[in-house]
Amino acid sequence: EVRLVQSGAEVKKSGESLKISCSVSGYGFTSYRIGWVRQVPGKGLEWMAMISPSDSDSNYSPSFQGHVIVSADKSANSASLQWGSLEASDTAIYFCARLRIVGNRHYFDSWGQGTLVTVSS
Amino acid sequence: QSVLTQPPSVSGAPGQRLTISCTGSSSSFGAVYDFHWYQHLPGGAPKLLIYGNSNRPSGVPARFSASRSGTSASLAITGLQADDEGDYYCQSYDGSHWVFGGGTKVTVL
Repeated sequence: EVRLVQSGAEVKKSGESLKISCSVSGYGFTSYRIGWVRQVPGKGLEWMAMISPSDSDSNYSPSFQGHVIVSADKSANSASLQWGSLEASDTAIYFCARLRIVGNRHYFDSWGQGTLVTVSS
Repeated sequence: QSVLTQPPSVSGAPGQRLTISCTGSSSSFGAVYDFHWYQHLPGGAPKLLIYGNSNRPSGVPARFSASRSGTSASLAITGLQADDEGDYYCQSYDGSHWVFGGGTKVTVL
């Protein structure tokens, strides 16, 4: 069974750093890219970034480029999303998801349970 | 930046049929890359509902169907049920980035 299990909720202050994780099991970690998706309270899903665990090649939405960094640890079968300096507007639920690519079909077929990040000013 | 546009909300009575549209701003949507749909129920993780414009993963009821026309797509829910209430998102790829629609809130009256 494919599983993506995310780290627990975080409460931080503006300016602090943070790294959240997504541990996968049930398939070859390096065979699929992992994406990160944000949901601000009351708003929709936004794709943030993508990482290929096989070579750590990454791709960012222009909206998030320079504000977050994605990484992957092959030895731990885990992907991470990190901030160097959080802002109150980063308060959101963050989901990791496995990207399935079949020809011209790019879709997220398995999702983590989400990590709530709360940032106070 | 490429955009997928959905209506903010739709509603219907139990048993009715609802449709949700998804209109793409980029010619890559639909013409090159397929549309996909997700169901996001309150308190849970998004769930893949439709992939490749019209395909249902195993376990998704046949009440959910979808189609593509050019750079637009639509999702239909027939026999609307109370536990269908939640948010629905279309998604595609524009050749560089992955894009979600703004989401449509489905309310069962």
